[in-house]
Formats: sequence, C-alpha cells, structure tokens
Amino acid sequence: QAVLTQPSSLSASPGASASLTCTLRSGINVGTYRIYWYQQKPGSPPQYLLRYKSDSDKQQGSGVPSRFSGSKDASANAGILLISGLQSEDEADYYCMIWHSSFVVFGGGTKLTVL
Amino acid sequence: QVQLVQSGAEVKKPGSSVKVSCKASGGTFSSYAISWVRQAPGQGLEWMGRIIPILGIANYAQKFQGRVTITADKSTSTAYMELSSLRSEDTAVYYCAREGGGDFRGDNWFDPWGQGTLVTVSS
Repeated sequence: QAVLTQPSSLSASPGASASLTCTLRSGINVGTYRIYWYQQKPGSPPQYLLRYKSDSDKQQGSGVPSRFSGSKDASANAGILLISGLQSEDEADYYCMIWHSSFVVFGGGTKLTVL
Repeated sequence: QVQLVQSGAEVKKPGSSVKVSCKASGGTFSSYAISWVRQAPGQGLEWMGRIIPILGIANYAQKFQGRVTITADKSTSTAYMELSSLRSEDTAVYYCAREGGGDFRGDNWFDPWGQGTLVTVSS
C-alpha cells in the first residue's frame, strides 16, 4: 500500500470549489505530519503551494492566492487541498508530499480538470 | 531571488552513468539543502535524495541507494546528481529543488525548482 494515496483525477466547474485529498497509509497518523502541496502544469516544474499541519502550523507559498488552502480530515487520515473559486488556470496536476522518517514521499498526483 | 539552472538534456546507453548539474544564482547556496526529484514520462514525482552543501552530507531514498551520488561544490554554488547503471526505466525528467526554511533536519518545502533535465536511456 502506498504511503500517500491521491485520486488520479477530479473534475469541477469554474467558480466552484475542489477538494483534493491525500490519504495516508494506515498506521501513519496524519496528525503528526506537515502536508505539502504542489501544482504542476504541463512542461513546467512543480510549484509550491502551501503547507498544512494545523491551524497554528501552516504556511502559504509566496504569491499563492488565498483561495488555495489546506486542512485535514482526521477521521479519514487525510490531508486536503481546497481550491475555491476555480479558474481555468487551476487546471493542473497536484501533488501532496510528506517527510517520513527523514525521507520525502510524494503522492501519485491528482489531475484536476476545470470544465 | 534564487534561481536554479540545470544542465541540458542527455541521451545515454543502458549501463552507463549520467551526471546532472544544478547551479544556484541570486541567493545563498550553502545554507539550504538541495533535493533531487525525478518524473518519468506521464508519471508522478519521485524523490531521490538530498544534500546539505555546507556540511557535504547526503542521504538517499532506499530505492536509489548504491546507484545515486549527490554532491555539491560550494565554490560554484552547484549541486550534482550522478546516476549509474542506467536502464530504460530511468528515462525521466530530473529536477533539483532547494529546500526552504534552512532547517537541515528536513520537513521543509521545495522552492524554487530547477527547470528540469530530460535524461533518455536508450540503446
């Protein structure tokens, strides 16, 4: 079982909100981790969006709009990237990441389609 | 604002090695760790390892142990990733990324990223 699991794809309409999940493997408690989120558009390197561990431990990437936000669902053992007011330019791949035992792990990524 | 500029695309034969460079400009190099991440065509991101230039200490993902070497030259603000015993599955875009926060223990974000270097392994 992968350490981080993301749905492979998600579709949403312009102006709506999209909730992208990053589920941690059973036995790895989401509460103890900072979840990092990246956006990647075709042909470009990933760009850092934000980090979320708790409301007192979070960080927005430089220049990242506030309509991108992070949260957690402890019952689902998952980190969440919420994108509100979806725009066509938000269509991209999104990756979550954690540091696990001094090593970096990425989720498989979610392709977000805005249509 | 720091920028990371990587070396150009490479085509390699199976069994050979490749060395990709990542030069930092416009900011402090040694005080931040550099990670290497690869992305196979149409696939996700895969972390390979990192180096703390000021200490010269590197650690590697288990998958690449014994096959990857990450080094840094503080005098030229350049990090290097060398991958040996190349096989077709190593065909990928290789990225370097600087860790934010300046905390060498890790748990940092990656920003900025280099532009990526395509390595193609083909006979």
